[in-house]
Amino acid sequence: EVQLLESGGDLAQPGGSLRLSCAASGFTFSSYAMSWVRLAPGKGLEWVSAISGSGSSTNYADSVKGRFTIFRDKSKNTLYLQMNSLRAEDTAVYYCAKDWSSGYGGTLDYWGQGTLVTVSS
Amino acid sequence: DIQMTQSPSSLSASVGDRVTITCRATQSISSYLNWYQREPGKAPKLLIYAASSLQGGVPSRFSGSGSGTDFTLTISSLQPEDFATYYCQQSYSTPYTFGQGTRLEIK
Repeated sequence: EVQLLESGGDLAQPGGSLRLSCAASGFTFSSYAMSWVRLAPGKGLEWVSAISGSGSSTNYADSVKGRFTIFRDKSKNTLYLQMNSLRAEDTAVYYCAKDWSSGYGGTLDYWGQGTLVTVSS
Repeated sequence: DIQMTQSPSSLSASVGDRVTITCRATQSISSYLNWYQREPGKAPKLLIYAASSLQGGVPSRFSGSGSGTDFTLTISSLQPEDFATYYCQQSYSTPYTFGQGTRLEIK
């Protein structure tokens, strides 16, 4: 059974940093691309970033480019999102999601329950 | 970026009703269109991929159609567990944009 468990969400100050983690199990982690998607209060889903199965290729939404970094650790079956220079508009529930292909094809067939990031002073 | 527009943004319906949600892209995305269901406090769930293919384990009352720029999600006979928010998403090109969501409520 595929399981994705996010952690690391917290209250952070504007300009601060957080690192989110997503522990994956139930599938061959390095064979699939992964994405982060967020849901801000009162808004719809927003794709944030994706990384290929090998980790060699990444992609970001313009809203986070240059501030967020996605990476993965094959030995720990874990996906990460390093979030720097946080802004109030980054406040959201962050979901990690498994792509159905090794290169990020964008079809997300399994999702975690999400972790809440709040950016406020 | 490709923008996705869903309609309606909210919908009230009764158990047993047939419901249709539409999604329009600002440019052709062929059949690179997915539908997701999100219930509060739960992980979002993939329902339909490639515009019309039913994800494994999803009840057959869900169906999708369309290609190019116009797509629909149909629920043939609403069940109590279907009251949730539904999102379309294009997987044609990054950024993989979502529609704004359709909240399906019990009438």
